[in-house]
Amino acid sequence: SYVLTQPPSLSVAPGQTARITCGGDIIGSKSVHWYQQKPGQAPVVVVYDDRDRPSGIPERFSGFNPGNTATLTITRVEAGDEADYYCQVWDSISDHDYVFGTGTKVTVL
Amino acid sequence: QVQLQESGPGLVKPSETLSLTCTVSGASISSFYWSWIRQSAGKGLEWIGRIYTSGSTNYNPSLKSRATMSADRSKNQFSLKLRSVTAADTAVYYCARGGGSGQRWFDSWGQGTLVTVSS
Repeated sequence: SYVLTQPPSLSVAPGQTARITCGGDIIGSKSVHWYQQKPGQAPVVVVYDDRDRPSGIPERFSGFNPGNTATLTITRVEAGDEADYYCQVWDSISDHDYVFGTGTKVTVL
Repeated sequence: QVQLQESGPGLVKPSETLSLTCTVSGASISSFYWSWIRQSAGKGLEWIGRIYTSGSTNYNPSLKSRATMSADRSKNQFSLKLRSVTAADTAVYYCARGGGSGQRWFDSWGQGTLVTVSS
């Protein structure tokens, strides 16, 4: 089955930029979606279809998916951004498989 | 605003059947795709399956032989049954909207319910 790989953790100072990567075979040919999950809560989509933001998600969250690595960028990081982040794609090869990445724990210093 | 709420037993014995229901408010299950997703410490987030307005279902190939989803439109609910459970099925189970043609992401989630498989 399709595998999405993320770094386990990332630390960033407030006001700086966090870049979270998601690697997968020819991932640029797929649409990537990103979720934020805070402790004890359900995931919330912050970017869908590579770069679109749902209403209510700050412009500080942006996505890019040019090739073998998709990236979620969070600019001007705030304490409230501390969470786990997951990427997700639809594996069109298997047709009925939605795959999530391994997750990245973002810590705001 | 769409809201989803999972319900069902929090403890299931090994080899028995896990049964969960998702009650939807703010949207009709006769529209959209509706999915079950679980999260365990060992395997992260795992999509289980989806049901569509027509009643058609699709499942994760790794769970297909054990999972069954159904819908009750009169109650605006959809359900999951997972047979022959083992400790590996211990997880937080979420119901969510999405997972189908036109929306291959999940835009609304329930709060999740912890199901523990243990004797």
